[in-house]
Amino acid sequence: DAGVTQSPTHLIKTRGQHVTLRCSPISGHKSVSWYQQVLGQGPQFIFQYYEKEERGRGNFPDRFSARQFPNYSSELNVNALLLGDSALYLCASSQGQGNYNEQFFGPGTRLTVL
Amino acid sequence: AQSVTQPDIHITVSEGASLELRCNYSYGATPYLFWYVQSPGQGLQLLLKYFSGDTLVQGIKGFEAEFKRSQSSFNLRKPSVHWSDAAEYFCAVGAEGFQKLVFGTGTRLLVSP
Repeated sequence: DAGVTQSPTHLIKTRGQHVTLRCSPISGHKSVSWYQQVLGQGPQFIFQYYEKEERGRGNFPDRFSARQFPNYSSELNVNALLLGDSALYLCASSQGQGNYNEQFFGPGTRLTVL
Repeated sequence: AQSVTQPDIHITVSEGASLELRCNYSYGATPYLFWYVQSPGQGLQLLLKYFSGDTLVQGIKGFEAEFKRSQSSFNLRKPSVHWSDAAEYFCAVGAEGFQKLVFGTGTRLLVSP
């Protein structure tokens, strides 16, 4: 079975632009979470979606938004990009919404903002 | 607020030697605790997790961790390190109800021949 897939793999944007990152969960998984990992740091929680509804939001500005589609894939959108948004963006999927369900992480999208 | 401290930024271990990576957490309720490994250019892979019950948990790749509530610690151990274990290791804490995980800053493991 395919694991969690993310696209694109790498992305270069300039300040002020908008970016959309995509995530396809493992088949049968209904929960998708997004994390931001700045170089040299641990991942930081951005959002969780379960059954197409937002179930959790981290301490990120409103420039960050996400949604989940009927097929459980997800998009993360970031508006008005700042240099500090440069990071590895990780998507994780699981069958259920609680931490009892193992989260499987994708390889990430490396975003560079110039 | 939840937090995780991994006091060692880098650790170098000789191949075949034992390993212990430290993790201390701060959490108001019963924590869900995790150890993940991240190889260069890869996502995170779950090594093991603790929810309740036996405080010594076994994971994949020969790793184990011990939950010590009195010390708020969840240290990761391996009796004999292999060169392929070189990677970044993250400890994380979470709640039961939803999947926000709070990660530590990670410990980079280097394995010397």
